[in-house]
Amino acid sequence: EDKVVQSPLSLVVHEGDTVTLNCSYEVTNFRSLLWYKQEKKAPTFLFMLTSSGIEKKSGRLSSILDKKELFSILNITATQTGDSAVYLCAVERGAQKLVFGQGTRLTINP
Amino acid sequence: GAVVSQHPSWVICKSGTSVKIECRSLDFQATTMFWYRQFPKQSLMLMATSNEGSKATYEQGVEKDKFLINHASLTLSTLTVTSAHPEDSSFYICSAGRASEQFFGPGTRLTVL
Repeated sequence: EDKVVQSPLSLVVHEGDTVTLNCSYEVTNFRSLLWYKQEKKAPTFLFMLTSSGIEKKSGRLSSILDKKELFSILNITATQTGDSAVYLCAVERGAQKLVFGQGTRLTINP
Repeated sequence: GAVVSQHPSWVICKSGTSVKIECRSLDFQATTMFWYRQFPKQSLMLMATSNEGSKATYEQGVEKDKFLINHASLTLSTLTVTSAHPEDSSFYICSAGRASEQFFGPGTRLTVL
């Protein structure tokens, strides 16, 4: 059975801290791994990763994929209160079907 | 671009009634749309893939007669929850595929009394 597992499930840090969110997967027919940020409603796209070892960056966020060890990390540096959200990891397993992890609920305290 | 809307954004209905949720891609055409369900503090679970002009394909464990999907045009898919029960109360999110990306709608919160 396809499985995506995120850790930690919940994380509370102070503004300015750096956080690392983890995502491991066991999925047949892997196509890509995606990270989303979900605040109140729809998930918003952050990154799509298809190749191992190539870091993707967007401002204070970065992510990398290890296809040999079947995991990905999402880093957020110099966190701000606006980064508080649920971060979802999903793996595309063909035909654009996404298998989501449980999410990491990140809370940034001022 | 790539905006997906859902209507209604929230609905409350009585047990036994049917509820229709619409998903529209506003500025692009989507031959494929996806319906997800999200229970509180849980992740999104794919329910079905909606294909324009053909039958939807359902994930294992999802009752196709209970969750009717119609993809009548390249910009509209509908999900009808038939004979809704309280356990169907959930957050329903659709997404529309464009190239290799999926764009999510804002979701519909369904509460069945």
